[in-house]
Amino acid sequence: EVQLVESGGGLVQPGGSLRLSCAASGFTLSDHYMDWVRQAPGKGLEWVGRTRDRVNSYTTQYAASVKGRFTISRDDSKNSLFLQMNSLETEDTAVYYCARVVVTGYYFDYWGQGTLVTVSS
Amino acid sequence: DIQMTQSPSSLSASVGDRVTITCRASQGVDNYLAWFQQKPGKAPKSLIYAASNLQSGVPSKFSGSGSGTDFTLTISSLQPEDFATYYCQQYNTYPITFGQGTRLEIK
Repeated sequence: EVQLVESGGGLVQPGGSLRLSCAASGFTLSDHYMDWVRQAPGKGLEWVGRTRDRVNSYTTQYAASVKGRFTISRDDSKNSLFLQMNSLETEDTAVYYCARVVVTGYYFDYWGQGTLVTVSS
Repeated sequence: DIQMTQSPSSLSASVGDRVTITCRASQGVDNYLAWFQQKPGKAPKSLIYAASNLQSGVPSKFSGSGSGTDFTLTISSLQPEDFATYYCQQYNTYPITFGQGTRLEIK
């Protein structure tokens, strides 16, 4: 059974940093692109970024709103995906979801349950 | 960026009804269009990919159509568990973008 479990959320001050994790199970992480998506309180879904699979050298893509501040990485040996968030702003307050991408079609199939990040002084 | 516009933003319907939600892209996305369902406090659930293909385990009461810029999601025979917010998403071009959501409420 495919499972994605995020962790690492919490309260952080503006300008601070936080690292989110997404623990994957039930599939081979290195065979999949993986994305992060966020949702501010009461708002819609916003794509954050992507890491491609091993075949595509784990290259990354980011939304303009986080580029230069957020970094996606992965440790396939530990079946884990990460989102390093630096220079956090109050606008980054959101629930952060990891999602698996089906490489043959580039669409999402599984989502994690999300982890809440609150940026506030 | 490609803007995705859903209509209506909210919709009231009764159990047993058939409803249609529309999603329009600001430029063509071929058929790289997905639909998601989200219930309050829960993660999104993937329903449809490539405009018209059901994800595994999704009942056939959900159907999608369209290509290019105009897409629809139809839900037939509404049941209480179908009342939720629905999002479309284009994944043809970076950045990947979502519609603003359509909230489906019980009348």
